[in-house]
Amino acid sequence: DQQVKQNSPSLSVQEGRISILNCDYTNSMFDYFLWYKKYPAEGPTFLISISSIKDKNEDGRFTVFLNKSAKHLSLHIVPSQPGDSAVYFCAASLYSGGGADGLTFGKGTHLIIQP
Amino acid sequence: DTAVSQTPKYLVTQMGNDKSIKCEQNLGHDTMYWYKQDSKKFLKIMFSYNNKELIINETVPNRFSPKSPDKAHLNLHINSLELGDSAVYFCASSPGLPLGVNEQFFGPGTRLTVL
Repeated sequence: DQQVKQNSPSLSVQEGRISILNCDYTNSMFDYFLWYKKYPAEGPTFLISISSIKDKNEDGRFTVFLNKSAKHLSLHIVPSQPGDSAVYFCAASLYSGGGADGLTFGKGTHLIIQP
Repeated sequence: DTAVSQTPKYLVTQMGNDKSIKCEQNLGHDTMYWYKQDSKKFLKIMFSYNNKELIINETVPNRFSPKSPDKAHLNLHINSLELGDSAVYFCASSPGLPLGVNEQFFGPGTRLTVL
């Protein structure tokens, strides 16, 4: 039972354009969402997060949008750069207050930035 | 300086053996985790450990046991290894309360192969 879904296994985008990665979730109790980036043979690296009380969070080239009614979030990267080529994981948490809560991850989307 | 480190990076062993994977974090975080990434690339929480409180994912067999000698370490012991235990295991840590976020920092992973 996948509670966090990333329906695109891969995405190819030209350098300089916008990359949009999508994520859907089914558990309405999730209230904190994160995006992680992963290179081969390395652990996931935290990228950006958003609390359920917000609908947008921006950090440099990265923006995350949250649509609670649709249970959907997206990560926008603009402009896309070759170093952005990696697997991007969407993750969700039941509590934004921290503590010993594991994250529920999607399967990941492999983003390929083409020169 | 490595924030979350794991040893070994690769572990090849025979079915039925007992093995351990070590994890150390130098971030001063209160909470540590173990995740398993299986062949389908799903990252799933196995355990979280916070102030000596262990929270276990109910799907984890009791052959797996975390051991925390101190706040900076959370080791994973696996008894009677099975073929299906082959996976990449990631350790992670997070600051927890009072910072109020659940951003987890991951180690580089340990690829376990059971023959």
